Amino acid sequence: GAVVSQHPSRVICKSGTSVKIECRSLDFQATTMFWYRQFPKQSLMLMATSNEGSKATYEQGVEKDKFLINHASLTLSTLTVTSAHPEDSSFYICSARWGGSPLHFGNGTRLTVT
Amino acid sequence: DQQVKQNSPSLSVQEGRISILNCDYTNSMFDYFLWYKKYPAEGPTFLISISSIKDKNEDGRFTVFLNKSAKHLSLHIVPSQPGDSAVYFCAASGGEYGNKLVFGAGTILRVKS
Repeated sequence: GAVVSQHPSRVICKSGTSVKIECRSLDFQATTMFWYRQFPKQSLMLMATSNEGSKATYEQGVEKDKFLINHASLTLSTLTVTSAHPEDSSFYICSARWGGSPLHFGNGTRLTVT
Repeated sequence: DQQVKQNSPSLSVQEGRISILNCDYTNSMFDYFLWYKKYPAEGPTFLISISSIKDKNEDGRFTVFLNKSAKHLSLHIVPSQPGDSAVYFCAASGGEYGNKLVFGAGTILRVKS
């Protein structure tokens, strides 16, 4: 069964609004979660590393003020896309690992900004 | 600069035959490689991995081969089944990336029955 749960699976919002995406680790505690973005026919690109109890680490070129990440507990990380624009439309996926396991991914969120 | 490359966007194979998916990388510091499978509207699912200290890892119908000198790895699926039809991503970690994964662009595999 799924070990990483992501919600919502699909969201449509108007330009200028904010959207929050939740990522939960099921049955394990994740001190670190990773947020990826995938554009059509492209690879998954790491956006940021979410650290429980501290600030997220963003990859080069990712605007931290636009993509707010909060890792409030050991089982929950949230990504908020602020003031969304059509170019933010993408597939956002979170992932986590426990111990030495490979990364496990959520089912992703398809964001469409109109 | 793509450090992990999957040069074949798609591959079509007959059911029962072997599927070979290829992946090349440029960063010699990568030391751990993974293959993920992804169905539409779902997140990637871990399939198989290999450490740079090995040149082969097998798990049921799936075998990953690593050629470090050529910076090349491949995933073999034998025999291929229609349910294997998905997008396959190659990923690597290590070096300056640490535990972060660097993904290729994916290869769409279609297994025809």
